[in-house]
Amino acid sequence: VQLLESGGGLVQPGGSLRLSCAASGFTFSNYALSWVRQAPGKGLEWVSTITYTGNTYYADSVEGRFTISRDNSKNTVYVQMSSLRAEDTAVYYCAKGGGSSVFDSWGQGTLVTVSS
Amino acid sequence: EIVLTQSPATLSLSPGERATLSCRASQSVSSYLAWYQQKPGQAPRLLISDASNRATGIPPRFSGSGSGTDFTLTISSLEPEDFAVYYCQQRSSWPRTFGQGTKLEIK
Repeated sequence: VQLLESGGGLVQPGGSLRLSCAASGFTFSNYALSWVRQAPGKGLEWVSTITYTGNTYYADSVEGRFTISRDNSKNTVYVQMSSLRAEDTAVYYCAKGGGSSVFDSWGQGTLVTVSS
Repeated sequence: EIVLTQSPATLSLSPGERATLSCRASQSVSSYLAWYQQKPGQAPRLLISDASNRATGIPPRFSGSGSGTDFTLTISSLEPEDFAVYYCQQRSSWPRTFGQGTKLEIK
C-alpha cells in the first residue's frame, strides 16, 4: 500500500487549498479513505472520512469548510479546504480506512501553513 | 463525542523493561479501539486493532487488552526502537477520536 499526499503549502487566512492523495497497492474503490492532521508539536486529530459508498463525515472543527471527495478512476482522494484559519496549520495525513475499519496505512503527510 | 484519556502522559523506562500504557474512554467503545505508534518526523503506524489484534508485522512483544472503557497497551520488553509516542483511537462512533498520546522515553 502506498499513499502519496500533495498540495500542501503556505496560504493566507481565509484562503483555500486542495490536498490530493494518490493511492496504490490495493483495490481503492473497496475502501474508506480519511484525512488526519497533526498541528506542530500536538497530537493526532481526525478530520474527515469518505466511505467506499461515498458517504462523508467531518470533524466539527472543519464541517462546512472542508469537503472530502474521491475519484475511483484515478485512485485519488481529495480534501478541498476553504476559509482556512491559523488553527488549520498542520501536517495532513491521508490514511486508508476510517469507516468501519482502523487507519491501517498512512501517507507521509503534507504540511499546510495558514499565515499572513 | 467520545473522549479518550491516555495515561501517563510520559513514561520513562529503560530497554528491557515492561511498559504499560492506559487509555480510558468517556463511554463504552466496545472493542473498537486501536493503538498507533509515531516516531519523530514519521507518520503513525498501526500496532493494534480491535483492542487486541496485532497488525501485520508487529512483534509479539506488543499486546493490547481491554473492552468497554478501559484499555491497555503492553510492551513486554522494551527495545530501543520502541521509544516513541503512542496514541489510542476509537471507531465506535463519529467523530473518530484519538487520545492525547503517551510519550515513551528512555530513562
